Amino acid sequence: AQRVTQPEKLLSVFKGAPVELKCNYSYSGSPELFWYVQYSRQRLQLLLRHISRESIKGFTADLNKGETSFHLKKPFAQEEDSAMYYCALLNSGYSTLTFGKGTMLLVSP
Amino acid sequence: EADIYQTPRYLVIGTGKKITLECSQTMGHDKMYWYQQDPGMELHLIHYSYGVNSTEKGDLSSESTVSRIRTEHFPLTLESARPSHTSQYLCASSVVGGRSGYTFGSGTRLTVV
Repeated sequence: AQRVTQPEKLLSVFKGAPVELKCNYSYSGSPELFWYVQYSRQRLQLLLRHISRESIKGFTADLNKGETSFHLKKPFAQEEDSAMYYCALLNSGYSTLTFGKGTMLLVSP
Repeated sequence: EADIYQTPRYLVIGTGKKITLECSQTMGHDKMYWYQQDPGMELHLIHYSYGVNSTEKGDLSSESTVSRIRTEHFPLTLESARPSHTSQYLCASSVVGGRSGYTFGSGTRLTVV
């Protein structure tokens, strides 16, 4: 069965510090992974997809199939990055997403 | 503007009542989904649909039911609400395949007293 693990419930950093939100997955097929973000009082929204290899709001994520990881990184955190971040894995057979439990990122001034 | 809409935004009802949570999208998407977001913020898939007249149960067992009579409309119904149904319900849609990601609605926060 597929599974997404986000080991940290809460990550607290100071503004300007590097950020790495961890995500590990378990999937028998070829994985397609996503990061979603939920800011306070806003809806859940797509941040980035591994297949597009893009950088959004300074965030990047690289798929490491050897380590079955898809960690989200940003070199210099901003206060407006404070939000709940979810890693998600696509079950391509059903087009359904399995989400991790989420990591709350708090960036302090 | 293309979007996905959920109503009501908040709902407080008594035990035993029948309720329907509405979800409509103007994205032109074929696939739609319902997720339950618990107080710890974890998301669980409870229902999904490939298109009109297609509905499937998700990973999390749920006492709710769904219907898909029109492409743009995917309501979720609880026949007899209980306090254990208190949660946030999120509706989402995607193109076939889901590789572009989902678009989520703003959610309905349900409280059963």
